[in-house]
Amino acid sequence: QSALTQPASVSGSPGQSITLSCTGTSSDVGDYNYVSWYQQHPGKAPKLMIYDVSKRPSGVSNRFSGSKSGNTASLTISGLQAEDEADYYCSSYTDISTWVFGGGTKLTVL
Amino acid sequence: QLQLQESGPGLVEPSETLSLTCTVSGDSISSTSFYWGWIRQPPGKGLEWIGSIYYSGSTFYSPPLKSRVSISLDTSKNQFSLKVSSVTAADTAVYYCATQRMAEHHFDNWGQGALVTVTS
Repeated sequence: QSALTQPASVSGSPGQSITLSCTGTSSDVGDYNYVSWYQQHPGKAPKLMIYDVSKRPSGVSNRFSGSKSGNTASLTISGLQAEDEADYYCSSYTDISTWVFGGGTKLTVL
Repeated sequence: QLQLQESGPGLVEPSETLSLTCTVSGDSISSTSFYWGWIRQPPGKGLEWIGSIYYSGSTFYSPPLKSRVSISLDTSKNQFSLKVSSVTAADTAVYYCATQRMAEHHFDNWGQGALVTVTS
């Protein structure tokens, strides 16, 4: 299994909306609605932000939303805030009953 | 509130076996509600799922690591453990334990992580 593909870095200004992409294959992202997204600040454990493509856990801001089209999933952050600056990782269930992560995207708030 | 805490040696010599334990509080390791998993992150790199175990002892391992990895439960101590054999510098990473709810496919509770360095 190969890691999901994410852009290494994305940047945006406060108040803007940005979209992070996560590309897999028909054996993972394309085959299941089991994509999740994690936010990780430096030196901290990852935090679940989105699961099952577009569901938000309790306590996560509604500025975070997820979607999927074919083999590519997306995380959109609207009304960008300084506290959103972090690394973001996507993950997907696969057709061999395993889980795979993406390489991560570093989000910079300008 | 479910809480997880990793523990184990911070240094391991090459070719030896890495051993970590995750202590669970807030629920029983025998609960049918969760899978108990391990994920690692090499310094400056991304996350890698290692494997998961169910209360019954059923295990799922990452194919690239399967030949060197073992995950087990200790119900008497409410802990689950990870062993990685024949380690090399490439196994140097922060190791996280995490939970997945039964029939779900995301990791919703994470430990704080434990750095393990493979060095002679």
